[in-house]
Amino acid sequence: DGGITQSPKYLFRKEGQNVTLSCEQNLNHDAMYWYRQDPGQGLRLIYYSQIVNDFQKGDIAEGYSVSREKKESFPLTVTSAQKNPTAFYLCASTLSGEYNEQFFGPGTRLTVL
Amino acid sequence: AQKITQTQPGMFVQEKEAVTLDCTYDTSDQSYGLFWYKQPSSGEMIFLIYQGSYDEQNATEGRYSLNFQKARKSANLVISASQLGDSAMYFCAMRGFNGANSKLTFGKGITLSVRP
Repeated sequence: DGGITQSPKYLFRKEGQNVTLSCEQNLNHDAMYWYRQDPGQGLRLIYYSQIVNDFQKGDIAEGYSVSREKKESFPLTVTSAQKNPTAFYLCASTLSGEYNEQFFGPGTRLTVL
Repeated sequence: AQKITQTQPGMFVQEKEAVTLDCTYDTSDQSYGLFWYKQPSSGEMIFLIYQGSYDEQNATEGRYSLNFQKARKSANLVISASQLGDSAMYFCAMRGFNGANSKLTFGKGITLSVRP
C-alpha cells in the first residue's frame, strides 16, 4: 500500500539535544512538507521541498533543518536552537500540479523534558 | 499572502442532521484552490474535498459538499447526515496557483462534536 510513514510516533528529548524525525513516502510524490501543530491550533509550515536536493524555508524554519537527498525521504532535525520544540509534527507530500491535495503521515509527537 | 479564517467556536450537531462549518479566505491570486481536511483525535489529517476557484459548480464528495461563494470569499463545508465518527477537528486550507509556490495555508480549525 502506498502512503507516508513517520517515525517514531512519540519522541522524548532532553533540552539541548538535537533530534531527527523521519518521513518516508512511496507515492512517487515530488513535493514534501513539514508542519508543526500546537494544541488547538492549525498547521504551520516549517520547510518544504519540491525536488530532490532543493528545499525552502516555510513560515517557522528557525531552529529546524532538513535534507532531501532522495525523492522518498525528507527528514526533519529539531535542533537545540528551537526554543519551544514540544509539538505535533506532520509530514505531507503531493504530486506536482496545482490541483493535487497533500497527503499526510500519521505524525510524530515530540516532547522536550 | 494568503489568509484563512475559521472563527466558529466548537460546533455541536445531532446525529443524522446537517452541519455547516464556515471558512473565509483572502488572497491576491487570481487562481487558487480550497481544501478541507478532517483531523480525528488520532492526529492524522484526512483530505475531504477540493474546490478550484474557476470551478462553476460546488464540489461534492459523498456526504461532504462545499458551498463556494467566490464574491464573498467563503468556502463553507457542509456535512449532511452527521455520524458519530464525524466528531473531529476540521481545517480549511488554500493554495494559490502562482507557479513557483505550492504551499498550503491552513486556518486554525473548528472542533465538531456529533451528539447521539
